[in-house]
Amino acid sequence: AQSVTQLGSHVSVSEGALVLLRCNYSSSVPPYLFWYVQYPNQGLQLLLKYTTGATLVKGINGFEAEFKKSETSFHLTKPSAHMSDAAEYFCAVSLITSGTYKYIFGTGTRLKVLA
Amino acid sequence: EPEVTQTPSHQVTQMGQEVILRCVPISNHLYFYWYRQILGQKVEFLVSFYNNEISEKSEIFDDQFSVERPDGSNFTLKIRSTKLEDSAMYFCATRLGEGSSSEAFFGQGTRLTVV
Repeated sequence: AQSVTQLGSHVSVSEGALVLLRCNYSSSVPPYLFWYVQYPNQGLQLLLKYTTGATLVKGINGFEAEFKKSETSFHLTKPSAHMSDAAEYFCAVSLITSGTYKYIFGTGTRLKVLA
Repeated sequence: EPEVTQTPSHQVTQMGQEVILRCVPISNHLYFYWYRQILGQKVEFLVSFYNNEISEKSEIFDDQFSVERPDGSNFTLKIRSTKLEDSAMYFCATRLGEGSSSEAFFGQGTRLTVV
């Protein structure tokens, strides 16, 4: 079965520190992978996606993620955390089941940025 | 920038009442979805809709739920006889076309509270 695992439901970092949010997937076919961010009381906003080509993808707000097939991972990073990065982050895989495409989401990681 | 619009943003309803959640998709998108996020939990797939019919539905999407696109623009989720456990944030999402690399655009969500 296809699945997405996000390690750490809560992550705290100091402002200016490296952000690392982990995502591992299981998929029997090459996956398409996404990271979404959800700010308080808002919807889901696409941060970045991996489909094909370069395995290091850059997104909005200085975030990037690297697809590592050998590790079945798609971890999200940002070199220097900002207070405005505090939000919930969801990793998702897009796949086809029963003839239709849908997203499978991870359980989410809530990022807290400390002053 | 085109966006998915959901109304209302908040809905409070009494248990047993019917509610209709509305979504206006991005105009040229063809694939529509409803997802649900119970407070503190992950985003769960409910149903996908294409060409005026349901493509796939999850176990959550039982007989109390229905979807339709009555006028070719609004995409609605109806919950008949709401239960306390239906309290959640409901997200509408739309995609331009077929293909798992096509990203989904999410609305801001409707927070449903059943009392």
